[in-house]
Amino acid sequence: SQKIEQNSEALNIQEGKTATLTCNYTNYSPAYLQWYRQDPGRGPVFLLLIRENEKEKRKERLKVTFDTTLKQSLFHITASQPADSATYLCALDGMNTGFQKLVFGTGTRLLVSP
Amino acid sequence: DVKVTQSSRYLVKRTGEKVFLECVQDMDHENMFWYRQDPGLGLRLIYFSYDVKMKEKGDIPEGYSVSREKKERFSLILESASTNQTSMYLCASSLLEGNSNQPQHFGDGTRLSIL
Repeated sequence: SQKIEQNSEALNIQEGKTATLTCNYTNYSPAYLQWYRQDPGRGPVFLLLIRENEKEKRKERLKVTFDTTLKQSLFHITASQPADSATYLCALDGMNTGFQKLVFGTGTRLLVSP
Repeated sequence: DVKVTQSSRYLVKRTGEKVFLECVQDMDHENMFWYRQDPGLGLRLIYFSYDVKMKEKGDIPEGYSVSREKKERFSLILESASTNQTSMYLCASSLLEGNSNQPQHFGDGTRLSIL
């Protein structure tokens, strides 16, 4: 069955550095990949969507790459700020379920220190 | 901005009770979803609806049912609550737009405790 892996250990970085989070998947070839941010006690908030034929997508300080050969997406936050501290989830369109459903990774917690 | 509103932030119920969780969205989205989120397991899809009165089982539908009588409202029902249904429940909505993957918009969740 399809499997999505995100690093379960928190990522600690200093303010101003670039944070890089990884999402790996197996047994599947998704057409889309999405990234969400989740703050404690809140629902996830959509950040970026990237299609299988796109290598890279940017939005302000955020950059997402999608390598279908490696079956991996990287999520970068440049010039990180303490306000970027949150859990980041990747999500793929569900295998054989059409494009309307998503399968989520368990998320990686990012901590940005001043 | 899309707003997805869940009726309760916190709820405490007893084993065996019938529990209703309500979700309303204000952007005329066709798709609505119910997830539960547990530590180490991430978000798991319980049920999904792509139209009024239409529903599909997700990955963990056992012990749950849903109702969608109006487009903007999607209810999750725990038929007979059990302690293993203690969890954070999240509702989401998205546009139905052909063969494309649309972002999902989430409510802030209901933290449900079953005693």
